Amino acid sequence: GAGVSQSPSNKVTEKGKDVELRCDPISGHTALYWYRQRLGQGLEFLIYFQGNSAPDKSGLPSDRFSAERTGESVSTLTIQRTQQEDSAVYLCASSHVAGGPQDEQFFGPGTRLTVL
Amino acid sequence: GNSVTQMEGPVTLSEEAFLTINCTYTATGYPSLFWYVQYPGEGLQLLLKATKADDKGSNKGFEATYRKETTSFHLEKGSVQVSDSAVYFCALSLIYSGAGSYQLTFGKGTKLSVIP
Repeated sequence: GAGVSQSPSNKVTEKGKDVELRCDPISGHTALYWYRQRLGQGLEFLIYFQGNSAPDKSGLPSDRFSAERTGESVSTLTIQRTQQEDSAVYLCASSHVAGGPQDEQFFGPGTRLTVL
Repeated sequence: GNSVTQMEGPVTLSEEAFLTINCTYTATGYPSLFWYVQYPGEGLQLLLKATKADDKGSNKGFEATYRKETTSFHLEKGSVQVSDSAVYFCALSLIYSGAGSYQLTFGKGTKLSVIP
């Protein structure tokens, strides 16, 4: 079966431009997470979706970051007016249900964003 | 807050050597603990997990024991292979009150290189 997919795999943009990153979770997975990994750092949590709702947005670093999910499937992370510090690998993960902290999260390959 | 500290690499070992990657954590509650692995060119994948004290997670010859008294979850393998070359991430997950988000908190990762 298909795993989590993300597109694009690489994105180079100019400072000040908006970007959209896409995540296709595993079919039937109701929980979806976005993380980012800046160079030399661990993964940082950004936002959590349960179905189409985002009950936990506590990791979004600024109001330039937003995300939505539709059809309990595809999610889009949007970064407006990109800054150089936004350069990172953005990872999406999904899990079957948010049934407990022991649930495995399945990760996509990531989108490498470079802001010039 | 919650955090994970793991030994920083890179770690270079000869094939068949013994591997230990140290991981300690701080958590406000009772976490589940994970080791994730990222092979070159691939996405993050779960290696093993443990959900309560004294549990031992194991997979592919790797083991880690959940030690509540020392807040540790060290990764070990008795005899590493070239194919084990990867970046290893220690992580924890907790129930965050209200939102039901089981976001993962990661260490910074340890790069392992195994040479023939």
